[in-house]
Amino acid sequence: NAGVTQTPKFRVLKTGQSMTLLCAQDMNHEYMYWYRQDPGMGLRLIHYSVGEGTTAKGEVPDGYNVSRLKKQNFLLGLESAAPSQTSVYFCASSLQGGDYEQYFGPGTRLTVT
Amino acid sequence: SQKIEQNSEALNIQEGKTATLTCNYTNYSPAYLQWYRQDPGRGPVFLLLIRENEKEKRKERLKVTFDTTLKQSLFHITASQPADSATYLCALSMHDKIIFGKGTRLHILP
Repeated sequence: NAGVTQTPKFRVLKTGQSMTLLCAQDMNHEYMYWYRQDPGMGLRLIHYSVGEGTTAKGEVPDGYNVSRLKKQNFLLGLESAAPSQTSVYFCASSLQGGDYEQYFGPGTRLTVT
Repeated sequence: SQKIEQNSEALNIQEGKTATLTCNYTNYSPAYLQWYRQDPGRGPVFLLLIRENEKEKRKERLKVTFDTTLKQSLFHITASQPADSATYLCALSMHDKIIFGKGTRLHILP
């Protein structure tokens, strides 16, 4: 069991470039989440999904899009990167909703110059 | 909007003593609180979940208590060790998602 994996681990983008972060889980979890973590701000929810084909906005969704075409994958897209999106991004999954523990991936460190 | 607060950014505790971390939340019911550990450069790892109808939960040297009157959870590490040094995150379960506090950086001093 790999648990939750994230690709890539590190990325540097120029302002205006686009990219997609991939999250995969092999635990057959229904719910998946994307967070960003910034110093002094804690973990903030960007978007989440309660099942294959569904997505919902979190606390800080602007500038990001997501897709959940397959149950095991959750993609986070940045269409036009901005320096304010420099952060560490974590993906997580849980069996069901907020009452269940979340399993986190190792994170992606993104720098936008 | 719901809020969850951890009142200490950082805490230094002498090895062997009990470390106690505090988490407060605004009015939400049913309230389930989760505690996670995060080491530098890694994702958070789940430790314990406590429900509002439970007063206490234990796991090895870890203990979590819940006071619904104060809207507060306390997280205790007994017989603390330098390996317990990490950031500890409190989180409030809200139906489909959870919201995290900003965390407390715990340093266990040898």
